[in-house]
Amino acid sequence: GENVEQHPSTLSVQEGDSAVIKCTYSDSASNYFPWYKQELGKRPQLIIDIRSNVGEKKDQRIAVTLNKTAKHFSLHITETQPEDSAVYFCAASGGGYQKVTFGIGTKLQVIP
Amino acid sequence: ETGVTQTPRHLVMGMTNKKSLKCEQHLGHNAMYWYKQSAKKPLELMFVYNFKEQTENNSVPSRFSPECPNSSHLFLHLHTLQPEDSALYLCASSQGLAATDTQYFGPGTRLTVL
Repeated sequence: GENVEQHPSTLSVQEGDSAVIKCTYSDSASNYFPWYKQELGKRPQLIIDIRSNVGEKKDQRIAVTLNKTAKHFSLHITETQPEDSAVYFCAASGGGYQKVTFGIGTKLQVIP
Repeated sequence: ETGVTQTPRHLVMGMTNKKSLKCEQHLGHNAMYWYKQSAKKPLELMFVYNFKEQTENNSVPSRFSPECPNSSHLFLHLHTLQPEDSALYLCASSQGLAATDTQYFGPGTRLTVL
């Protein structure tokens, strides 16, 4: 089955700096890669996703890149703000079937 | 309330108790899921239902028994649980089972087994 590894497990950045979270996956059939943000005590919410036919996608301060050859994808947050503090999960799914495999999560702390 | 709702939000039970978790989605979706979220571990998929039919049981112990009476409601019946079952149980729904169908999560039930 699919295996998703996520690094780092914790990340502290100064407000205004950039944050990068990296994930690798094992199943070459995976073709959809969502990212979820979970604030403390709240539900995970989709913040951005990328499909395998796209190398990069941006949404304001958030961007995701995908390298299918290397089987890794990354989340980039620029100009971080305290409200970006949360746990971020990467995930991979594919093979035409909805079985999403999640990474272990990265706890991001943005220091004001 | 819109989206995906779960009740109760917190539950404390003894190992001999029987309790049920409830999930309801107001999004018109056809697929529903149960996940277990434990500290320092990835989200673990437990069960998947599509149009009320179970399509995935991820080797979950029989002390967890799901029920899906219709596409909008999902239950997780609990009995004779162990302390290691203490976790946040998240329900999610999606339009269908296509890999690109976004999953929408409920707020979760924080379960403590004494």
